Formats: sequence, structure tokens, C-alpha cells
Amino acid sequence: NAGVTQTPKFQVLKTGQSMTLQCAQDMNHEYMSWYRQDPGMGLRLIHYSVGAGITDQGEVPNGYNVSRSTTEDFPLRLLSAAPSQTSVYFCASSYLWGSVTTYGYTFGSGTRLTVV
Amino acid sequence: AQSVTQLGSHVSVSEGALVLLRCNYSSSVPPYLFWYVQYPNQGLQLLLKYTTGATLVKGINGFEAEFKKSETSFHLTKPSAHMSDAAEYFCAVTEEGSARQLTFGSGTQLTVLP
Repeated sequence: NAGVTQTPKFQVLKTGQSMTLQCAQDMNHEYMSWYRQDPGMGLRLIHYSVGAGITDQGEVPNGYNVSRSTTEDFPLRLLSAAPSQTSVYFCASSYLWGSVTTYGYTFGSGTRLTVV
Repeated sequence: AQSVTQLGSHVSVSEGALVLLRCNYSSSVPPYLFWYVQYPNQGLQLLLKYTTGATLVKGINGFEAEFKKSETSFHLTKPSAHMSDAAEYFCAVTEEGSARQLTFGSGTQLTVLP
């Protein structure tokens, strides 16, 4: 059971470069989201999706784009990397419907991004 | 709007001592509450959750938490700390009808001293 798979695990970018962080889940979860984790700031929501073709902004969306063409995949694109985007990025997914017992996220193992 | 406050960004306990990590929430409707644990260089793992029913919830690795509506709290406890409990712990809240979005606290780093 793979759960949520994130690639790559580590990445170093130069300022101004673009890249895509990949996230895939095999649990048929409708809800997917991207967070960034910075020291002392907890987890901050970047973008989220409630189904294929539907995305919305979170707390810190600037500099990031997302799309959701399939239920399984939710890539995060950095358009022009900046040092302020140095962070650890987590993808999380969840069922959107069902009983209360289905509440709660499944997280990927993270992507550690450094922008120099 | 829902929010979570974790009191104490760093907590140190001796091995074998009681672990108490504090979490207070704010929610306009009955909340669903979660504790996640993050070991170094890993993702977040669900420790336990409260949705409905019994207010004392037991989780993995001997942890438990009690939902206290009157105190708007969901503190995490473990009777006897083990070295392997050293990690960062996150409290989170959501509400029915919020598209399942979790709001996270800022985290508490637990250090276990030998």
C-alpha cells in the first residue's frame, strides 16, 4: 500500500528556475492539498483540491501553481523559484465524503527544497 | 473560523516521566480533533483523533487525549515517556462542512532526556 508518494525527496534550485513537485495517491481520495513547513510556523496550506478539475488557494499561494487532471495526481509548480521558497513541502490527501471515521489526512514523506 | 493553539513550542521530559502536550482549539461548531506526530526527516503520522463518541481517545504508542468541550482543550498525554517518543507533535482541528480542511497548530517539539 503506497499511500501518498512525493517526488523528489530533495531538490536544490537556483533562483529563477522552475520545477514541479509531484504528488500521487492510490487511495481514491477526493481531497488533496499542499503544505509548506517552516521552523516555528507549523504547516501552512498552499493550495488544495476537492476533486479532478477543481483547485483553490490556501493561506500562502503566491509563487505556486497547481492543477488536478486526475484523482490520483496533484503536482505543485514553482514558477520562478525564490530563496523564500526554501522549505519542506508536504502533500496530504483525504476522503471528502463518508462517515466521520474517514476524517484525517494521509501525508507524503515530504520534499526538502533549497533555493540558492 | 477554526484555530488551534499549542502551548509550549518545546517540552522536555525525563525518560519514564509523564508526557503532557497542550492543545486548545477554537471552533464555531463541534470540532473534530487530531494529533499528528512527525519524526525527524519524515512526514506526519496520525497519532489519534476525536470525531464523536467517547471523549477519551487512545492512539498508537501508548498516547491518549481527552476532548474537554468546557475547556476547549484536547491535551495529549502518555504516562511514561520513552526515548523513541522524541519528535514534533501537531494538534489539528476541522469541522463538518469545511471540506475536510485541517487547521494545524504550530507544533511542540518533545525532547526525552535519559
